[in-house]
Amino acid sequence: SQKIEQNSEALNIQEGKTATLTCNYTNYSPAYLQWYRQDPGRGPVFLLLIRENEKEKRKERLKVTFDTTLKQSLFHITASQPADSATYLCALYTGTASKLTFGTGTRLQVTL
Amino acid sequence: EPEVTQTPSHQVTQMGQEVILRCVPISNHLYFYWYRQILGQKVEFLVSFYNNEISEKSEIFDDQFSVERPDGSNFTLKIRSTKLEDSAMYFCASILTGPTEAFFGQGTRLTVV
Repeated sequence: SQKIEQNSEALNIQEGKTATLTCNYTNYSPAYLQWYRQDPGRGPVFLLLIRENEKEKRKERLKVTFDTTLKQSLFHITASQPADSATYLCALYTGTASKLTFGTGTRLQVTL
Repeated sequence: EPEVTQTPSHQVTQMGQEVILRCVPISNHLYFYWYRQILGQKVEFLVSFYNNEISEKSEIFDDQFSVERPDGSNFTLKIRSTKLEDSAMYFCASILTGPTEAFFGQGTRLTVV
């Protein structure tokens, strides 16, 4: 069956450190992978999109990698801040715009 | 900045009643979606809508559910004969075209009692 799995345990890191979140998928061949941020009681907010032919994408303190051989994406937040505390979701489009499927999400807690 | 708006923000309904959740997607967007998130669980795809018809739906989206775009701006999700397990946050989303950034509304919290 198709699965998109993220670290189920919450990730706790100290302010200033780099947070690394993992997204693994099985039985998908996504052409695009996205990362979203979700705060409690709010809708997901788009962060980054990476295409299957791109290895890495950056935006300010954020970096995403996409390894279609390993079927994995890594999401990095450098110089993390308490304001980065949220749940981070990876999501896949499977070639069309008709279905965007989300992973289970990883809760990140950045402490002082 | 354009945004997706949803109403109401919170709806309480009795089991067996019908509810309509409303969404106004971003005006020039072409693809519309409904998602559900049960408390503490993942964001689950329900249905996508393009060119005035359903383009894909999940196994959750059974005959109890229907979607409609009654005019040029609103996109609605109707849930007939609500059950306790329908209690969740329902999110509407839209995208401009192609598999790009999805914009989500703030959600409607549905509580079935």
